[in-house]
Amino acid sequence: LAKTTQPISMDSYEGQEVNITCSHNNIATNDYITWYQQFPSQGPRFIIQGYKTKVTNEVASLFIPADRKSSTLSLPRVSLSDTAVYYCLVGDKDSSYKLIFGSGTRLLVRP
Amino acid sequence: GAVVSQHPSRVICKSGTSVKIECRSLDFQATTMFWYRQFPKQSLMLMATSNEGSKATYEQGVEKDKFLINHASLTLSTLTVTSAHPEDSSFYICSAPRGQGHHEQYFGPGTRLTVT
Repeated sequence: LAKTTQPISMDSYEGQEVNITCSHNNIATNDYITWYQQFPSQGPRFIIQGYKTKVTNEVASLFIPADRKSSTLSLPRVSLSDTAVYYCLVGDKDSSYKLIFGSGTRLLVRP
Repeated sequence: GAVVSQHPSRVICKSGTSVKIECRSLDFQATTMFWYRQFPKQSLMLMATSNEGSKATYEQGVEKDKFLINHASLTLSTLTVTSAHPEDSSFYICSAPRGQGHHEQYFGPGTRLTVT
């Protein structure tokens, strides 16, 4: 399972766009990139998943360059409720689904 | 709505006693479930993989005799912390894969265990 590296923390203000970049230099050909969000004392929640280029859903966008060695989670116009820890994970869709969490990025959104 | 539930949400027990935590998949079957532990301000640490009808697979450093896992049905996995000690106090979270071909997992709300 590929290791991921993210910034430990980020600060932002309400209404701003936040981009969190994750490095995964050893990503395998069959690996997908998945992002989860976790609030204090809750289980993680799936945000978005992608393999290459760009994926967008109602919550976020995920940008993946051609070499796939990194990915960027983009949160448009964040609000105070987006304050959470964001985890980037890579893994094979057809594997045993085992997820190894990295340190995550603690995002603080200020008023 | 929640698709994976955990019970209890929080529990306080005395040192030396055992505590059972249940993880249920709602409206779907899960032949595999995962158990994590999370200490304050830290990331989730995978403890073990729970396999329906067979023995659980434990991660390195996790004592299988202390953390007993039983996956007796396709919708229920239980984690029993035996002879709990204060250092076992933590947030325990389970998860279940969405299904074949999906990497997405559903996580339970977690169980806060405090051992006094």
